[in-house]
Amino acid sequence: EADIYQTPRYLVIGTGKKITLECSQTMGHDKMYWYQQDPGMELHLIHYSYGVNSTEKGDLSSESTVSRIRTEHFPLTLESARPSHTSQYLCASSEGDQPQHFGDGTRLSIL
Amino acid sequence: DQQVKQNSPSLSVQEGRISILNCDYTNSMFDYFLWYKKYPAEGPTFLISISSIKDKNEDGRFTVFLNKSAKHLSLHIVPSQPGDSAVYFCAASGSGFNKFYFGSGTKLNVKP
Repeated sequence: EADIYQTPRYLVIGTGKKITLECSQTMGHDKMYWYQQDPGMELHLIHYSYGVNSTEKGDLSSESTVSRIRTEHFPLTLESARPSHTSQYLCASSEGDQPQHFGDGTRLSIL
Repeated sequence: DQQVKQNSPSLSVQEGRISILNCDYTNSMFDYFLWYKKYPAEGPTFLISISSIKDKNEDGRFTVFLNKSAKHLSLHIVPSQPGDSAVYFCAASGSGFNKFYFGSGTKLNVKP
């Protein structure tokens, strides 16, 4: 059973606030990912990491930033939230050639 | 540009019948393909995969077929059950398994 956790599950917040979405996994996976998904659309990779102190931007441009100080933790931060950031954010991890394991996502709504 | 496409946003099937979900891709460098299943308010969960060296992979009621020349794969569910009702995502990766590209999903409804 995959153990990857995202908090909060839902967040409604005003424009201009700083937000951090948490993602933790207990499987010791080296690779971690953040995806953004709008309803009925594909998952877009916005950030990924191959290990501690390694972060890369994905194919979809995002104003968010990430950090990977510990293997198990891959938080995503928005310095100043805007309505255009409203979306679902999914975190995933994987090891080697194994499939990705996903968290249950954070549904973010910026007013 | 979307490299993995699922052109059917929804599919409705009677319980006990076959469900066929389709997926097309454009990048010939992809060599690993996966299907994920997603229930509402949950993250996607891995269902089945296939490597480009194969054209078929079977796991219980689920079979994935790969046609490399057509850049097309499909997921067959036989027999379909109401619990299979979910959104199914197709995904693809190149060698190295470092980045995965997802389709937009097909919502399957299996009617009792």
